[in-house]
Amino acid sequence: DIQMTQSPSSLSASVGDGVTITCQASQDISNSLDWYHQKPGKAPKLLIYDASNLETGVPSRFSGSGSGTDFTFTISSLQPEDIGTYYCQQYHNLVTFGGGTKVEI
Amino acid sequence: QVQLVESGGGSVKPGGSLRLSCAASGFTFSDYYMSWIRQAPGKGLEWVSYISESGETKYYTDSLKGRFTISRDNAKNSLYLQVSSLRADDTAVYYCARGKAMIGPWGQGTLVTVSS
Repeated sequence: DIQMTQSPSSLSASVGDGVTITCQASQDISNSLDWYHQKPGKAPKLLIYDASNLETGVPSRFSGSGSGTDFTFTISSLQPEDIGTYYCQQYHNLVTFGGGTKVEI
Repeated sequence: QVQLVESGGGSVKPGGSLRLSCAASGFTFSDYYMSWIRQAPGKGLEWVSYISESGETKYYTDSLKGRFTISRDNAKNSLYLQVSSLRADDTAVYYCARGKAMIGPWGQGTLVTVSS
């Protein structure tokens, strides 16, 4: 099984700050990685697919990078509506989610 | 618009069973893999299972094999999850979602509570 280690588990930042979340896979997954945002009480929503591609309609302040085992998710300028929990997910071999990063303002 | 609506959750005693359903609309259901993902209260996301477009290929997370069964009826645009031998740690919101990569959209979820 592929394990996904996400960090940090939580962070607090101010509006306008840059935020970076990392995700490490236990083995090479190429670029088979997606990022999701879950607002409190809601279902998750896809933000980034194939490690670095922005889903249609998602603001450009969100970005992703990486390949192999190390991946990064960035919010260039944090907005109030960005609060919630972010998850990475690999689909190289079945599906595994990272543990999540709770973002607060 | 694309919509997924789960149903069938509820409160059940340990050892019991439930059949969760997901009604899909707004897209060609038979063109997509479909997934079940669960989230225990206050916890992260856990992938449960996915099924191929035709229903011939099914995969499960190792820890749930044998107790959970995924199926679909493309004529009814519906996805199912039969959950049995339920334990307290199966208590979670169960989400139906389109795809196995680029997963989305997701339904609103159905809550399964396992308690004596």
